[in-house]
Amino acid sequence: EAQVTQNPRYLITVTGKKLTVTCSQNMNHEYMSWYRQDPGLGLRQIYYSMNVEVTDKGDVPEGYKVSRKEKRNFPLILESPSPNQTSLYFCASSAQDQPQHFGDGTRLSIL
Amino acid sequence: AQSVAQPEDQVNVAEGNPLTVKCTYSVSGNPYLFWYVQYPNRGLQFLLKYITGDNLVKGSYGFEAEFNKSQTSFHLKKPSALVSDSALYFCAVWGANNLFFGTGTRLTVIP
Repeated sequence: EAQVTQNPRYLITVTGKKLTVTCSQNMNHEYMSWYRQDPGLGLRQIYYSMNVEVTDKGDVPEGYKVSRKEKRNFPLILESPSPNQTSLYFCASSAQDQPQHFGDGTRLSIL
Repeated sequence: AQSVAQPEDQVNVAEGNPLTVKCTYSVSGNPYLFWYVQYPNRGLQFLLKYITGDNLVKGSYGFEAEFNKSQTSFHLKKPSALVSDSALYFCAVWGANNLFFGTGTRLTVIP
């Protein structure tokens, strides 16, 4: 089954404790992206990757890092999380010029 | 710069009645438009897209969307609403390797 898998689905943590949200896709897609969803703001892009070792900033990259060492994986790293990064996060992937497939989301709460 | 606007936060419709969820867009160049649906605790699911061609686009689950260039609109429609259509709907436009989302419209279909 074609899917985008995110882990964990839920996480409560504390300010400053580094965390990584993993994202993996099994569709051999070149393009991958991270979004955060906040009430009243819709989804906003954090980072995206056009292919292995090619990443670039989206609209709200501050406080986040990503890496793309393999085509299937695109982890999101919060080196020093802060409460304003409490949000619902989505990973997505797509082939060129095709609609994006989304994971089921990761709800992060940073205290 | 690309952007979309969804003027209604909430739309209520009786089961069996036609539904419309509104979206207007602002783009430089030709628009590449999408509708996605989000059910509780799930990621976004692709409904339909417009690139070029017919102004009436048919998508999944009986949904369609009407592209209107003069009004810069891309409204989502369905002839007969189902209770199971109740969800959060997002309009989006593609540009600069990014999917720009509206703020979402919550559709409630009343039995």
